[in-house]
Amino acid sequence: QVQLVQSGAEVKKPGASVKVSCQTSGYTFANYYMHWVRQAPGQGLEWVGLIHPTRGDTSYAQNFQDRVTMTTDTSTSTVYMELSSLRSEDTAMYYCARGGHLTVDDPWGQGTLVTVSS
Amino acid sequence: QSALTQPPSASGSPGQSVTISCTGTSSDVGGYSYVSWYQQHPGKAPKLMIYEVSKRASGVPDRFSGSKSGNTASLTVSGLQAEDEADYFCGSYGGSNNVVFGGGTKLTVL
Repeated sequence: QVQLVQSGAEVKKPGASVKVSCQTSGYTFANYYMHWVRQAPGQGLEWVGLIHPTRGDTSYAQNFQDRVTMTTDTSTSTVYMELSSLRSEDTAMYYCARGGHLTVDDPWGQGTLVTVSS
Repeated sequence: QSALTQPPSASGSPGQSVTISCTGTSSDVGGYSYVSWYQQHPGKAPKLMIYEVSKRASGVPDRFSGSKSGNTASLTVSGLQAEDEADYFCGSYGGSNNVVFGGGTKLTVL
C-alpha cells in the first residue's frame, strides 16, 4: 500500500536549520507531486510548498520563500524539506502529503514535530 | 490568520446532518473547482475526504458530501455517527501555484 514515512522529531535552537525527510513506497514516485504542510500546536493547516519528485520543480508559499528548500532523492524515493533561520513560531508538526500540481491529496505522512527553543 | 474562513465549531446529534462552511474569495474557492476537505482525529494526520468540490475520496462513506456556491464551499455530514467527531479542514487551489487552507472546524457529536 502507499506509505509516506517521515523522519523523527527534532529540537532546534533559534537561527538553526532543520531537514525533514519523507520516504515513499507503494506507488510510482514520478507520478505525483509532494506537498509539505505544517500545523502549529492547536492551529490550522498551513501550506509550505510542493516539489515534483523527478523534475525537481518547486513552488513555495510566499511566507517561506526565503527560508525553505525542497529536494528529492530518486534513488530512494525520498523527499526532503529544509527550513532555515528557525524561530519559535516555526514550532509545528510538519507533514508531507502526496498530491497533484493543484491539490493536496492522500496519503499524508505521520508528521514530524519540529520544536524551536533556546 | 487562515486564508479560508471556517466556523470554529459545529455539532449535531447522532443521525442528524451538519454542514460546515468554508469561505474564500474569487481568487481561490470561487475561481477553481479544486476544493478539498480533510478529516483529522486527535493526534493523527489529516485524511482526504472530498476532492474537486464534491468527489468522495476512496473509502469515504456516502454520508459525506461536498458542494460549492460562489466563494463558499460546504461539507455536509449526514446520519452523524460518533466516529465523525473530528476536526475538519477545507483547502483550495489559490492560484499562482499556491494552496490555501481554512482554520478548521471542530465537529462534536452530541
